[in-house]
Amino acid sequence: GDSVTQMEGPVTLSEEAFLTINCTYTATGYPSLFWYVQYPGEGLQLLLKATKADDKGSNKGFEATYRKETTSFHLEKGSVQVSDSAVYFCALSDRAGNTPLVFGKGTRLSVIA
Amino acid sequence: NAGVTQTPKFQVLKTGQSMTLQCAQDMNHNSMYWYRQDPGMGLRLIYYSASEGTTDKGEVPNGYNVSRLNKREFSLRLESAAPSQTSVYFCASRTVTGVKGYTFGSGTRLTVV
Repeated sequence: GDSVTQMEGPVTLSEEAFLTINCTYTATGYPSLFWYVQYPGEGLQLLLKATKADDKGSNKGFEATYRKETTSFHLEKGSVQVSDSAVYFCALSDRAGNTPLVFGKGTRLSVIA
Repeated sequence: NAGVTQTPKFQVLKTGQSMTLQCAQDMNHNSMYWYRQDPGMGLRLIYYSASEGTTDKGEVPNGYNVSRLNKREFSLRLESAAPSQTSVYFCASRTVTGVKGYTFGSGTRLTVV
């Protein structure tokens, strides 16, 4: 079945450091890809998404590019803030969004001042 | 505020007890989902309802039942709770049109002793 693999955490960075969280996927067909963020004590929120190859999703300074050739959707941010401390989940569904989301295991990010 | 409401937020059960987790959404979404979140495991799908009147098993359905009471409400029932069901449970909903992000509730933290 479809699956998502993301880098193990936790990741600890200093404020203003560059962030990369790796995500690769295995899927039949041509999935849509997502990054969700979970702040402490809250539910998940959609951070960004991409639905076709070479699409770049972006939001709040975060970016991720859909790379079909490497089956990857790595999350990046040029300068992290303390407020970015959270758990980040990579996820996929089928192209039309008809199948339930399949999540990676999550990566905890801690940003220190 | 529009969104997904879960009740209760916290619950402690004894092994063998039963309970129902409630979920309601007011966004006129067609599809609803129940996930559980465990440390190091990410989110795993328990059951989902693609539309009113239908339910389907997810990755980890054993020990659970669901009811799609109407378009707004989707409940999750534990008939005989076990310590392995200690987890954080999230309900989510999604509209059927296109590839849209899910809206998540804030979760129910369940402990089975």
